[in-house]
Amino acid sequence: GQQLNQSPQSMFIQEGEDVSMNCTSSSIFNTWLWYKQDPGEGPVLLIALYKAGELTSNGRLTAQFGITRKDSFLNISASIPSDVGIYFCAGQLDAGNNRKLIWGLGTSLAVNP
Amino acid sequence: DSGVTQTPKHLITATGQRVTLRCSPRSGDLSVYWYQQSLDQGLQFLIQYYNGEERAKGNILERFSAQQFPDLHSELNLSSLELGDSALYFCASSARDSGGQEQYFGPGTRLTVT
Repeated sequence: GQQLNQSPQSMFIQEGEDVSMNCTSSSIFNTWLWYKQDPGEGPVLLIALYKAGELTSNGRLTAQFGITRKDSFLNISASIPSDVGIYFCAGQLDAGNNRKLIWGLGTSLAVNP
Repeated sequence: DSGVTQTPKHLITATGQRVTLRCSPRSGDLSVYWYQQSLDQGLQFLIQYYNGEERAKGNILERFSAQQFPDLHSELNLSSLELGDSALYFCASSARDSGGQEQYFGPGTRLTVT
């Protein structure tokens, strides 16, 4: 099935560093969602974006809905050890009655204290 | 806590068997989604129900089926199980029937087929 291109696949950073990850597609989306998954647990919604160009923050997290509507970015500032996990992007295609979310394969983040 | 509950948390069974996974959505949510996540894989959408009716289908095998009951809880039935069906199965819920609505995930059921 269709998937988003999420990058990087994994990151290993030092505590205190800033992190950037993104999702891209050749299709236009009308919704972008960012989730974080801890090992063995369900994904937790971090940020939801509904308008092109929208920039939304949630604490140290900031996400943007790309103006082309084909991409989205998630930034984490001043990373801490509890930021460790897998970050997923998900988007809804702007395609009539298509109701499914399309998911990226995730960015695995490791933080060295 | 997302408000979505799933039972059981762990399930170990043998090939060829049939199991049922249960999900209760957040209070007030009418849509339920089922996902499969294999080891080190992303989330594979299986199926969505809205207020008791099937709304969208993903990569769901014919051996798998689901339903949503009048009280809005949902069950995912997996039959003729194969080793490759071992995975985490997540249920998510949202307020409305649009796939773009924010989905809230349960803790998952870890299925191991031996």
